[in-house]
Amino acid sequence: QVQLVQSGAEVKNPGASVKVSCKASGYTFTGYYMHWVRQAPGQGLEWMGRINPNSDDTNYAQKFQGRVTMTRDTSINTAYMELSRLTSDDTAVYYCTKEATYSTFDYWGQGTLVTVSS
Amino acid sequence: DVVMTQSPLSLPVTLGQPASISCRSSQSLVHSDGNTYLSWFQQRPGQSPRRLIYKVSNRDSGVPDRFSGSGSGTDFTLKISRVEAEDVGVYYCMQGTHWWTFGQGTKVEIK
Repeated sequence: QVQLVQSGAEVKNPGASVKVSCKASGYTFTGYYMHWVRQAPGQGLEWMGRINPNSDDTNYAQKFQGRVTMTRDTSINTAYMELSRLTSDDTAVYYCTKEATYSTFDYWGQGTLVTVSS
Repeated sequence: DVVMTQSPLSLPVTLGQPASISCRSSQSLVHSDGNTYLSWFQQRPGQSPRRLIYKVSNRDSGVPDRFSGSGSGTDFTLKISRVEAEDVGVYYCMQGTHWWTFGQGTKVEIK
């Protein structure tokens, strides 16, 4: 069965960077884009970008351009999302989610809470 | 960016009664390939989102048939024919035609 298992919660100071991992299993990792979506406390879902694990190509939402980097390690079926120059507005749960046919998302990780606080 | 606007944002419903959520996009969601990439997700309290519907009206396996999706162009609807206690949560529409954007979410609660 498909599983996306994310790394644990993080607490960061303003100005720092955070790197969240997402380990995939149960399907061909290189066969599907991996996306990242975040959710601030009590707020809705926000698309951040995606990575093609096969080609390493990325597409980022304009809001995060220059601040987000998505990478992958195909040897361990893991995708990463690194966000730099953190502010309190980046406090959120970050999800990885697998793209499916018809431009939708069929599986989600459990989420990683990133708290930015001094 | 395509803006997705849901209404209502809060929906108190009596158990066993129907519920309907509207989702409107700022531009047509018909892709150049002819498909319309509109999905619906349910997020129960404390859980990750779960997809219910994709490509406007296709229900995921395991999703009860009381959930249905419809619409076209810029106007879409999620209907729950008879609300059950397990349906409590926030529902999001999402378009995947012009990159990806979500609606603000509609919170369904029991009266």
